[in-house]
Amino acid sequence: ILNVEQSPQSLHVQEGDSTNFTCSFPSSNFYALHWYRWETAKSPEALFVMTLNGDEKKKGRISATLNTKEGYSYLYIKGSQPEDSATYLCASQYQKVTFGTGTKLQVIP
Amino acid sequence: DTEVTQTPKHLVMGMTNKKSLKCEQHMGHRAMYWYKQKAKKPPELMFVYSYEKLSINESVPSRFSPECPNSSLLNLHLHALQPEDSALYLCASSQGAPEIRGNEQFFGPGTRLTVL
Repeated sequence: ILNVEQSPQSLHVQEGDSTNFTCSFPSSNFYALHWYRWETAKSPEALFVMTLNGDEKKKGRISATLNTKEGYSYLYIKGSQPEDSATYLCASQYQKVTFGTGTKLQVIP
Repeated sequence: DTEVTQTPKHLVMGMTNKKSLKCEQHMGHRAMYWYKQKAKKPPELMFVYSYEKLSINESVPSRFSPECPNSSLLNLHLHALQPEDSALYLCASSQGAPEIRGNEQFFGPGTRLTVL
C-alpha cells in the first residue's frame, strides 16, 4: 500500500443497523492513524487518534481498531442513527498527515 | 474558544484578480496548515507553518502565497489563479509541531473557491 485507501467509497444503511468501514495505510513509516467525521458544510471533526498496534478507541456508539503491522484500521458504528450521516475520513501520519478519500455514510430513517 | 474560523465562506474570482483567504484560531496552537480539496479527492496538504515559520511547502505553485502574521492568523494570498485551482481550501491548526506523533489537527469549515 503506497497511499491511504478507504472502502467502501459510500454506503447506505438503515437506521438501527451496525456498520463498519476500512482504512488501509502504508505499514512502514507510521506514526499515528487519525479518524475524522465530516458533515456537509461543517468542519472535519476529530474522532480518534491511535498510535499503537492493537489500539482500540471508543466514543459512544463509534469505535475503532488499529493494526499497524498489516496497515489497516476499522471504524465501527453500532446502531446507526440519521445524525451519523457524514463522510468519515482517515489519515495516516508520518511526519505529515496523508488523507484517504473518505467513506460517505447515509443512514436512512 | 475551540474553533478555527475561515473567511470568506465562498469566493468567486477571475484569473487576473488578487484575493486572500483568512484563517484564525485562538486555542494557542503553534502550527497552522492549508489544505486543498477537490471533489471526490482527499484533502492535500499545501503549506505548514510551525511557530510562525514556514516548515512545509508541498511544491505549491507560486500563485499561492501563504503568510503567517502571528501565531493566531494564517493567510493564503491568491494571484493569477487558473480555473483548475477551483476547490475547497481548508485551514487547520494543531497544538504542537506537525511531526509530533498523534498531533491532532482542528479544522475550519473551509472556503469554497471558484476561479472563472
